[in-house]
Amino acid sequence: EAGVAQSPRYKIIEKRQSVAFWCNPISGHATLYWYQQILGQGPKLLIQFQNNGVVDDSQLPKDRFSAERLKGVDSTLKIQPAKLEDSAVYLCASSLGLAGDNEQFFGPGTRLTVL
Amino acid sequence: GENVEQHPSTLSVQEGDSAVIKCTYSDSASNYFPWYKQELGKGPQLIIDIRSNVGEKKDQRIAVTLNKTAKHFSLHITETQPEDSAVYFCAATDSWGKLQFGAGTQVVVTP
Repeated sequence: EAGVAQSPRYKIIEKRQSVAFWCNPISGHATLYWYQQILGQGPKLLIQFQNNGVVDDSQLPKDRFSAERLKGVDSTLKIQPAKLEDSAVYLCASSLGLAGDNEQFFGPGTRLTVL
Repeated sequence: GENVEQHPSTLSVQEGDSAVIKCTYSDSASNYFPWYKQELGKGPQLIIDIRSNVGEKKDQRIAVTLNKTAKHFSLHITETQPEDSAVYFCAATDSWGKLQFGAGTQVVVTP
């Protein structure tokens, strides 16, 4: 079974530029998550989708971050404009269902460096 | 909201010895406690989990214990091997069912 795919794996941009990350979840997984993992910290949830609807985006800085999950499969996360403090690994995860005790499967992440 | 604290931040053990990582949580409504292992350049991977109606769970060399009264849970790795070297994260569900992660423990197993 293929895992969660993410691209690109690495991205370096200058502050105020824009960037987009792509995620393809495990086939059949209805729930998709985007996490931000700052160096030395645990993952922090940014947004959660159930199919193509947003379940929770309370921690998403909406003035600069946006995410969508068209057709309930792939998802993109965008940052515009980027700030220095956005440097982090952005992890995508998926799970079969919405319940908190559904196992979440993580992708390898995209490491973003903002200069 | 839920606050998960994890200790120690780094742990160095000799191969064959045991490793113990401890976490505390604040939300009494938390009912699911997974542990993830993250190797360099990879995403976290679930290694074991425990639900609030169970006090202990074991899977080969790893075990997890939960004390709901004290709001703490622990990961135990016995007979450590070099491939156990990684960052380990504990997590707990908050009142909304969302996972809150600890800050992680860097485990180094030396031969």
